[in-house]
Amino acid sequence: DVKVTQSSRYLVKRTGEKVFLECVQDMDHENMFWYRQDPGLGLRLIYFSYDVKMKEKGDIPEGYSVSREKKERFSLILESASTNQTSMYLCASSHHGKLETQYFGPGTRLLVL
Amino acid sequence: KNQVEQSPQSLIILEGKNCTLQCNYTVSPFSNLRWYKQDTGRGPVSLTIMTFSENTKSNGRYTATLDADTKQSSLHITASQLSDSASYICVVSRNNAGNMLTFGGGTRLMVKP
Repeated sequence: DVKVTQSSRYLVKRTGEKVFLECVQDMDHENMFWYRQDPGLGLRLIYFSYDVKMKEKGDIPEGYSVSREKKERFSLILESASTNQTSMYLCASSHHGKLETQYFGPGTRLLVL
Repeated sequence: KNQVEQSPQSLIILEGKNCTLQCNYTVSPFSNLRWYKQDTGRGPVSLTIMTFSENTKSNGRYTATLDADTKQSSLHITASQLSDSASYICVVSRNNAGNMLTFGGGTRLMVKP
């Protein structure tokens, strides 16, 4: 079975803190993705990566950065957390190819106070 | 603009009843359409995938249909169970965007005993 794990299920941070969200997949997937999910807005793509050390901006990259030093690990970084970054963050991974399924992690619910 | 709209936003049905969820999309050029199920507090899990040439796909009690001419899809759930309570998300992939997905806002289904 494909397994995508995220480092925390729940996280509470203060405004201005630096926040790291970690994602690990064990299926040797080339692609990895970070989304945020907000009520009524659906999932929105923040950043994605097609290969190690490679990253591409998604639809809402502002206020975020990412790191992919190893194929199995994709990190999302909030350099200076703000209250409007309170959200559910979902990581996903897949093989290359338009028909390949994206497999999601369980999500990290982040609250920024 | 590439969009995916789902209806209804929420739905309550009695256990054992059938229901149909709707998805309209304007994503172009179209590659494929998926339905995902997302249990509360978990990441989405793929139920079905349909390409342009497919107009129906089943996965147990779930049957998805696709009309690529009218850009509409539906997900029919037969003989609902309490475990079907979840959000159902329609996701469309563009043909020129690798594995990039456009997500609908989801339909929140509650099955009551």
